[in-house]
Parts: sequence; C-alpha cells; structure tokens
Amino acid sequence: TQLLEQSPQFLSIQEGENLTVYCNSSSVFSSLQWYRQEPGEGPVLLVTVVTGGEVKKLKRLTFQFGDARKDSSLHITAAQPGDTGLYLCAAHTGSNTGKLIFGQGTTLQVKP
Amino acid sequence: GAVVSQHPSRVICKSGTSVKIECRSLDFQATTMFWYRQFPKKSLMLMATSNEGSKATYEQGVEKDKFLINHASLTLSTLTVTSAHPEDSSFYICSAVGTSGSLYEQYFGPGTRLTVT
Repeated sequence: TQLLEQSPQFLSIQEGENLTVYCNSSSVFSSLQWYRQEPGEGPVLLVTVVTGGEVKKLKRLTFQFGDARKDSSLHITAAQPGDTGLYLCAAHTGSNTGKLIFGQGTTLQVKP
Repeated sequence: GAVVSQHPSRVICKSGTSVKIECRSLDFQATTMFWYRQFPKKSLMLMATSNEGSKATYEQGVEKDKFLINHASLTLSTLTVTSAHPEDSSFYICSAVGTSGSLYEQYFGPGTRLTVT
C-alpha cells in the first residue's frame, strides 16, 4: 500500500517565522503535488514536481522533490497570516487512472 | 483556467432521506471525476472514481449501494447519499480530470457540506 506521511500535522507559528512541511514515502512517485485548502473550500493546487531533485519557488514558498522521488518538502519563508490553512501533499498512484493519494495534511496557523 | 463547481454548497437533510450532490466541469470535458470525503481538519479520503459512461469504481470500505455515483455526461457527475444517517455528515469534494490534459491535472470543486439531522 502506498502511503504519504506528512509532518507535522499541526503547526502554530508567529508571523514572520519560517517553517518546513515534509511529505515522505517509501514508494517512488512519478510526480507529487502540493495543495492548500481553506476551511469550507476545495483544495487549490500550488505546484506539481516531476523531476527528482527539482526545486520550484512560488513567491515565499519553496518546494523540493527528493532525488529519489520518494519525498518532498514545502518551505515557507516569513509566514503571513494569509498562509493559514491546510496544506496537503498528494501523489499519483501510478495506475494511470489519475487517482491521487493524499498525505494526512498539515494545519498551519500563522498568528499576527 | 479549469473550473469545477458543486451544487449545493451546503445541504441539511433528515435521517433516512436521500440527497444528491452535483459536480460539474464548467469549461472543459472530464472523462474521469473523483469523489472524496473529508472530516474536519483531516485529509481527503477517496471514495470512488467516476468514469463517463461506465460504472464507478469504489474504494475499499465504501458502500456502493449507499453512495450512488452517476457520470452521465462529460461535464456532470452526481453523488447520491441514500438513506442518510448522521454519520454521513461530512464535507464531500469532487475533482475532475480533463480529456485533453494530462492525468497530472486534477481540478477540485469547492465542496459540499452535508449535515444529516
């Protein structure tokens, strides 16, 4: 069974601090995605990483895909209250159906 | 960009009744749609894969007779919760994969909050 272990599951920090969320697996994935979800809304895709070792930046967010394509990280620099939300990593199962498996999610609260 | 809508956004129904949730791809055609269930502050749990013109594929532990899925067109999939019970109360989210895009591109709806009283 393919699993994505996401950590930490809860994070409460002050505005301006940096943080890193991890997404780990023993399985190799062809791609990995990060989503952000606000309460009462659907997930919104932030980034897709495909190549081992790939680093993508989205303003203050930096995403990295592990060399072996088994893990990924999301780093937020100088967090803002607007970054508050549920962050989810997800990967395709490789069955060519488009089916995604999700990590447990990280609930981030950034206090002003 | 690709937009997926869900209707209704919120619904309250009485125990024992059935409720239908619609998932529409507004500006693209979707051969495949997925239905998820989400509990508060938890991750998404895949319930079933809905393929246009064929039967849905349910994940292990999901009752297909309770959660009826119909994908009659390339832009619409429906999830009907039959004989709803309070434990069916949850946030239901659909997603759609475009026919022309890659399987990497899955677009999510805004979700439907179901409360069974």
